[in-house]
Amino acid sequence: AQSVTQPDIHITVSEGASLELRCNYSYGATPYLFWYVQSPGQGLQLLLKYFSGDTLVQGIKGFEAEFKRSQSSFNLRKPSVHWSDAAEYFCAVLGAAGNKLTFGGGTRVLVKP
Amino acid sequence: ETGVTQTPRHLVMGMTNKKSLKCEQHLGHNAMYWYKQSAKKPLELMFVYNFKEQTENNSVPSRFSPECPNSSHLFLHLHTLQPEDSALYLCASSQGATMGEGETQYFGPGTRLLVL
Repeated sequence: AQSVTQPDIHITVSEGASLELRCNYSYGATPYLFWYVQSPGQGLQLLLKYFSGDTLVQGIKGFEAEFKRSQSSFNLRKPSVHWSDAAEYFCAVLGAAGNKLTFGGGTRVLVKP
Repeated sequence: ETGVTQTPRHLVMGMTNKKSLKCEQHLGHNAMYWYKQSAKKPLELMFVYNFKEQTENNSVPSRFSPECPNSSHLFLHLHTLQPEDSALYLCASSQGATMGEGETQYFGPGTRLLVL
């Protein structure tokens, strides 16, 4: 069965500093990988996705993620964080069979002024 | 209106009430989903519908009853809920029936449910 682990429950970062959120997945074949962001009281917004091809994926709001098969990881990065990036971030994996999306537990990001 | 919409956005109900959550997608998708998001648990998939047919029921108690009358609308009928059912209920849709990028799921804003 597929699974996703986000090791960091909370991360605090200063505005303007870089941000990296970790995601590790478990899946037997090539996974489809996603990062979503959830602002307080809101639904999930898709930041970026990886299906195939270039392992460095660009997304919205200045985010990027890198797929590393050898490490079973899909870490999310942003070079310079803005106060509006304070939110909860979810990594998810979609298996090749069916359309069942499995989410990690989420990482809550707090941005300090 | 675009994307995935959900109504109501907030709902308070007693344990003996019957209520329904509504989801509508304006993306031309064929697959729709219900998820539950509790404070202490990861997002849990509840139900999946493909072309109006239920293809996944993730061991959800029968007090939750989904309905998908067409590919654009999805309902979650609630009856005799428990306080532990209080959560954010999210609806999502995807193109469906195709693998690859067609399976990207787009989410609505959710309905915040409180069961008293």
